[in-house]
Amino acid sequence: DSGVTQTPKHLITATGQRVTLRCSPRSGDLSVYWYQQSLDQGLQFLIQYYNGEERAKGNILERFSAQQFPDLHSELNLSSLELGDSALYFCASSVGHNTGELFFGEGSRLTVL
Amino acid sequence: AQSVTQPDIHITVSEGASLELRCNYSYGATPYLFWYVQSPGQGLQLLLKYFSGDTLVQGIKGFEAEFKRSQSSFNLRKPSVHWSDAAEYFCAVGVGGSQGNLIFGKGTKLSVKP
Repeated sequence: DSGVTQTPKHLITATGQRVTLRCSPRSGDLSVYWYQQSLDQGLQFLIQYYNGEERAKGNILERFSAQQFPDLHSELNLSSLELGDSALYFCASSVGHNTGELFFGEGSRLTVL
Repeated sequence: AQSVTQPDIHITVSEGASLELRCNYSYGATPYLFWYVQSPGQGLQLLLKYFSGDTLVQGIKGFEAEFKRSQSSFNLRKPSVHWSDAAEYFCAVGVGGSQGNLIFGKGTKLSVKP
């Protein structure tokens, strides 16, 4: 158990819909990262937050957004969903903004029908 | 642009045999390099990392990796594989000097024969 909690574990929705994925980082970790894992693209970095502020942005679509709240939990919002958004979405956390070890949650599997 | 190549999609080894998983990276400066392991239905777990210094790094579960700048490689090794090592292994490089914004390879799935 990494200490990172992600909900929901599984989610099935339809095209055009909007979903929110939630992540609670390990106790004491200030950084939260979101990654997308799909069969065709592999693991891709989406975005990082550190202590409530966006720190780095990767291959995140404009239809996707994220935020980190004062209690350090984070949410990833996916809107206008397309079939190609079906993937496993991982949240990871680390102590600092650049500390070298990420602790990953078990992921949220999104299926868009 | 930074990239990571894991040339082997799937490897099968016998239990007790040695293992080497290949990883090649493309990066302009001295990279931050990582190996992560993903067991079925689980998130990723860090095995080891290289930032600088000794080019042979030791990790958890008996794994080690060697950084070879001349070959742009960071291969993962284990002298004797256990059945519990069956998993998918990912090599990654830190983007722009970052240790959290990682570019991952496509992964190598390891199967272990009894």
